[in-house]
Amino acid sequence: AQSVTQPDIHITVSEGASLELRCNYSYGATPYLFWYVQSPGQGLQLLLKYFSGDTLVQGIKGFEAEFKRSQSSFNLRKPSVHWSDAAEYFCAVATGTASKLTFGTGTRLQVTL
Amino acid sequence: KAGVTQTPRYLIKTRGQQVTLSCSPISGHRSVSWYQQTPGQGLQFLFEYFSETQRNKGNFPGRFSGRQFSNSRSEMNVSTLELGDSALYLCASSSDGANIQYFGAGTRLSVL
Repeated sequence: AQSVTQPDIHITVSEGASLELRCNYSYGATPYLFWYVQSPGQGLQLLLKYFSGDTLVQGIKGFEAEFKRSQSSFNLRKPSVHWSDAAEYFCAVATGTASKLTFGTGTRLQVTL
Repeated sequence: KAGVTQTPRYLIKTRGQQVTLSCSPISGHRSVSWYQQTPGQGLQFLFEYFSETQRNKGNFPGRFSGRQFSNSRSEMNVSTLELGDSALYLCASSSDGANIQYFGAGTRLSVL
């Protein structure tokens, strides 16, 4: 069965600093890969996705992620974090129709001013 | 285009009762998936409906059921509520072949 690991439960960064959130997946082939963000009391907003092709994908709000097949990783990055980026971030994988997402446990991002 | 709409946003029920949650997908989307989010178990897939048929199912007891109507709106029902059913229930919709799910704001269910 496929699985997703987000090793960092909680990360604190200063505003303006760079950010990298880690995600590792376990699956026999290349799945569809996603990053979602969730603000308190809200649903999930899609930041970016990887299906195939260029391994560096750009998303909304200045986020990007890089797919590394050899490491089974799909890490999320942002060069300069804003206070409004404080939220919980979820990595997810899917196969087939991508209608059944398997999520990681999430990383809560705190931004200090 | 309106997003995924879930109603109600908040619900309080007592153990043993049943509850029905509603989800209206983005116009034109025929796939609706449901997820349960709890602090202990995280985000877990419940089931997916496509064209009024259940296409995928997660590992939840039979107390959790759903259906989809001809206009793609979906309902999820939980019978004989337990304290552990307290959670945020999220609905997501996607269009045919798009492989991207768009989520609603969720329904927060509290079981007392």
